[in-house]
Order: sequence, then C-alpha cells, then structure tokens
Amino acid sequence: QSALTQPASVSGSPGQSITISCTGTSSDVGGYNYVSWYQQHPGKAPKLMIYDVSNRPSGVSNRFSGSKSGNTASLTISGLQAEDEADYYCSSYTSSSTPLGFGGGTKLTVL
Amino acid sequence: QVQLQESGPGLVKPSETLSLTCTVSGYSISSGYYWGWIRQPPGKGLEWIGSIYHSGTTYYNVSLKSRVTISVDTSKNQFSLKLSSVTAADTAVYYCARTLWFGAYYFDYWGQGTLVTVSS
Repeated sequence: QSALTQPASVSGSPGQSITISCTGTSSDVGGYNYVSWYQQHPGKAPKLMIYDVSNRPSGVSNRFSGSKSGNTASLTISGLQAEDEADYYCSSYTSSSTPLGFGGGTKLTVL
Repeated sequence: QVQLQESGPGLVKPSETLSLTCTVSGYSISSGYYWGWIRQPPGKGLEWIGSIYHSGTTYYNVSLKSRVTISVDTSKNQFSLKLSSVTAADTAVYYCARTLWFGAYYFDYWGQGTLVTVSS
C-alpha cells in the first residue's frame, strides 16, 4: 500500500490542461519540499519531470509544472499532447523509518 | 551523459538470492551522489529498495531491510543489489538510478530496467 495517494486515472483532450494530485501527510508532502514527479511510458523506465515540488530538469517541457498546498502536491500538464499519455508517479521524502515513498501512480489518457 | 545499465539473472528460484549489478558510465560513482535501486512488480507501482553512497553508507526500505544488501565497487564503477529468500512477490522489473540525497530526494538518471522472475 502506497504512502502517497494519487487518483488511479485522469483524462483530457489535446490542448486542455489536467492536474494530478498526490496526497500525503505532514510527515511527508506537507512537511518537506521534496516532492518529485515521474513520467513512465509503457515498457520504459520512469523519467524525472519535476523535483523539489516545482523545479523542472533541463529538457523537460514547460508545459509541466508542479505545486503544493498543505499535504497535497499537484502536477499540472497544460496544452495536452498525445505523447503525454503515460503513467505518472509522485514521490516524497518522509520522516518515517523509510525515507522515500512513491504514490500508487496515475494513468493519464489523452482522448 | 550519465548512463546506467542493470545486469543479472532474469530467473531466480524461490528461497534463493537475487543478485543484480548496475554499471554506471559517463560519471564516476566516487565523485558523489547516492545510487539506488527501485523495483516495479508487473502492472503495479514503484517501490524504493535502497540507496548507497560511494563510501558505503546505505539507506534501505524498512520493509525489505532484513533481506537486502546494497554494495558498491568504485573500481568498476558499479553498485549491486542482493535480495535474499525471494518469493513470487519479488518478481518485478528492477531499476537502478542515480539518487539525490540530503537536501533533495529524487532520481535523475535511470537504467532501462531488468525483469527478474521468481519461479521454480
């Protein structure tokens, strides 16, 4: 069972914006600015899209943005494109005995 | 460009030890960063296993800690994973990744992953 809660699926049409939530507690998401997001296409390794809540690695499109409010972090993808269809995972540092946890993943479908 | 490549047996028998190696190119492990292992059972989500620094300092997922050993060989620019007493529940794609640790916690470079099946 994942420590971080994500919706199982979200969908949107090309050109639209979608937001994926990642809900934790004050021991992880709410307590630290160490939330990261990964994109995973079928059969491929995950790819880092956002780190430290809202920072984009070099080469990641500025259509991807991250934010946090309280115990919930969010990944927003604007101007949806077909290539954005993938699974998305959030991750956070946690003050529990296991310092890193992942969300259960969200499947994004571009209609 | 940092590249990571996992290697090891694709089939392990129940109760035996799973052993994988990650070979890093384009960056010297001795130069810094932590190096970690993450796994993903078929059709399921990601699970962090543990991470190691070139000095040998390790951090593990508590749920696996009693069965996991991660080690590093700086002379070969490799780090390794051993998971003992495996069961079918350990069947997964195993990824190695460069890990940011202390002041940041994320994985910026990943290997392609290797499927390990536990079966007799």
